[in-house]
Amino acid sequence: AQKITQTQPGMFVQEKEAVTLDCTYDTSDPSYGLFWYKQPSSGEMIFLIYQGSYDQQNATEGRYSLNFQKARKSANLVISASQLGDSAMYFCAMREGRRDDKIIFGKGTRLHILP
Amino acid sequence: DAGVIQSPRHEVTEMGQEVTLRCKPISGHDYLFWYRQTMMRGLELLIYFNNNVPIDDSGMPEDRFSAKMPNASFSTLKIQPSEPRDSAVYFCASSLPGGYTEAFFGQGTRLTVV
Repeated sequence: AQKITQTQPGMFVQEKEAVTLDCTYDTSDPSYGLFWYKQPSSGEMIFLIYQGSYDQQNATEGRYSLNFQKARKSANLVISASQLGDSAMYFCAMREGRRDDKIIFGKGTRLHILP
Repeated sequence: DAGVIQSPRHEVTEMGQEVTLRCKPISGHDYLFWYRQTMMRGLELLIYFNNNVPIDDSGMPEDRFSAKMPNASFSTLKIQPSEPRDSAVYFCASSLPGGYTEAFFGQGTRLTVV
């Protein structure tokens, strides 16, 4: 069964520093997608970045990049030059491509950016 | 497109009452997901539909919960009778098919059962 694990319940980071949020996953499907979402205090779910299991290069979107290590089954989110507005809950998610199209989420990591 | 639209945004109801949450997915999206978010359990997938057909309802906590999708542009999640432990934020999300497509979320419905 597919599973997503985020082991960091909370993190405190100084503004302008880089942040790495951990995510490991488990699936037996060779075809899958990995996603990161941001949930600010206002509550909406904002899609940030996506990585496909067959992608050769790590995904990047502005200050967000995904450190994809397939053999380790990890998909860590890296935020460069953190800003106060990055303070939020961050969720890692996975969607299998063949046997099951459901999208499951990890428990999330609450990130606090300190001025 | 206006995105995924959920109503109501907030609902306060008394224990034992019926509650109906509504969702309008993005036009053209084949998949619709219902999630429940609580502090203790995080984001749980309750049920999801493909082309209006329920595919997996194993996340529905009890028979008190039911979901329907009568057409491609509307879905409901009903709780009858409601209990205080059902208090949570309920999200609806929709997506295109395939393992490489993200889900787009509605604003959520904050349900409080007193």
